[in-house]
Amino acid sequence: GAVVSQHPSRVICKSGTSVKIECRSLDFQATTMFWYRQFPKQSLMLMATSNEGSKATYEQGVEKDKFLINHASLTLSTLTVTSAHPEDSSFYICSASPSSQGPRSYNSPLHFGNGTRLTVT
Amino acid sequence: DAKTTQPPSMDCAEGRAANLPCNHSTISGNEYVYWYRQIHSQGPQYIIHGLKNNETNEMASLIITEDRKSSTLILPHATLRDTAVYYCIVESNFGNEKLTFGTGTRLTIIP
Repeated sequence: GAVVSQHPSRVICKSGTSVKIECRSLDFQATTMFWYRQFPKQSLMLMATSNEGSKATYEQGVEKDKFLINHASLTLSTLTVTSAHPEDSSFYICSASPSSQGPRSYNSPLHFGNGTRLTVT
Repeated sequence: DAKTTQPPSMDCAEGRAANLPCNHSTISGNEYVYWYRQIHSQGPQYIIHGLKNNETNEMASLIITEDRKSSTLILPHATLRDTAVYYCIVESNFGNEKLTFGTGTRLTIIP
């Protein structure tokens, strides 16, 4: 089945530094990937839609200059948390679908990475 | 906004069938019902999805009512590893592909 890989799985950084999280589709290409954030005991919240070769689309309330998204290839999207603060500590999860180039086929649901737990000290 | 309503929590005895309900009374004709689950500290795992007909795969069965306003996910023989938060999501299969997660049902399998 479709596999989405995230790296790192866990990262601790100091306040004010930047952290890059990678999301790869291992056995399929995806023109679109999605980035979610999940705070403890809460549901997943969509942050942005990453589009290969063009600018990401951010959800309302998500600062595009703070959460930089680069989707340089059909199998890789990166999320960089810039000037991280303790309130950015969260579980970041990416997702993609093998049919992200257009209408999703019936048998190609979104698949999710295993998440990156970011702790900012 | 999430378009589904699920009970916040449920318990099920190990080895029994777990039946998780979901209400989606405002579902539109082109929207599918998707089920995902999230085991603690992991990313969501796809389980099953359907449009009108009941569906079954190696993980679960999905029963959708005739009016499509509700559905039930059935785990036929629950194991301890099925303890997770289960999310029912409705979403169109065309164009915008993002999934909007509600609060889900925390299913606990009791030994």
